[in-house]
Amino acid sequence: EPEVTQTPSHQVTQMGQEVILRCVPISNHLYFYWYRQILGQKVEFLVSFYNNEISEKSEIFDDQFSVERPDGSNFTLKIRSTKLEDSAMYFCASSEYGRSSYEQYFGPGTRLTVT
Amino acid sequence: GEDVEQSLFLSVREGDSSVINCTYTDSSSTYLYWYKQEPGAGLQLLTYIFSNMDMKQDQRLTVLLNKKDKHLSLRIADTQTGDSAIYFCAVNSGYSTLTFGKGTMLLVSP
Repeated sequence: EPEVTQTPSHQVTQMGQEVILRCVPISNHLYFYWYRQILGQKVEFLVSFYNNEISEKSEIFDDQFSVERPDGSNFTLKIRSTKLEDSAMYFCASSEYGRSSYEQYFGPGTRLTVT
Repeated sequence: GEDVEQSLFLSVREGDSSVINCTYTDSSSTYLYWYKQEPGAGLQLLTYIFSNMDMKQDQRLTVLLNKKDKHLSLRIADTQTGDSAIYFCAVNSGYSTLTFGKGTMLLVSP
């Protein structure tokens, strides 16, 4: 069964450093998402992406964040200058269609630890 | 904005039924989801219900929706130790976005 994959599974970085989290969505899906979950808190929507541009983004997704689909398979989340509060589990998801009525398939997550 | 609340913890014995509850605030939510997260794994979509339905059954899973009270529940019949996981309630809150609850940790003891 096709699945969303994410790398790395765990990333440790120092405050102020740039990180890139990578995702490979399901191959025939057209809509891509990033969510994050700070330990003990809710899963929060960050951004959705379609046709090489951002469709929706939350207040969390400020200028420190960017997303890119650099080739036909990868979907990346970049954090330019990490802060301690960026420590969280980051989930990538993809769906065949854009409306949230359609199933979003989630990857296993990347645990980002900022020290 | 949309808010989704769940109880944080539920403990049951193997073979019993489990009922996980969720409340939400946005009455315009049209799709309501239950996701399961096992340790070290991603969020797995278990089931969903459309807002014009009261109930949906899928094998051991029953979803009940009370739109008036904005209350959603997931019942797992004959709960097994393999059902131990965190269960997230989620509702659609934008064109393409989901709002999640904090998750309910279900612990099934033999």
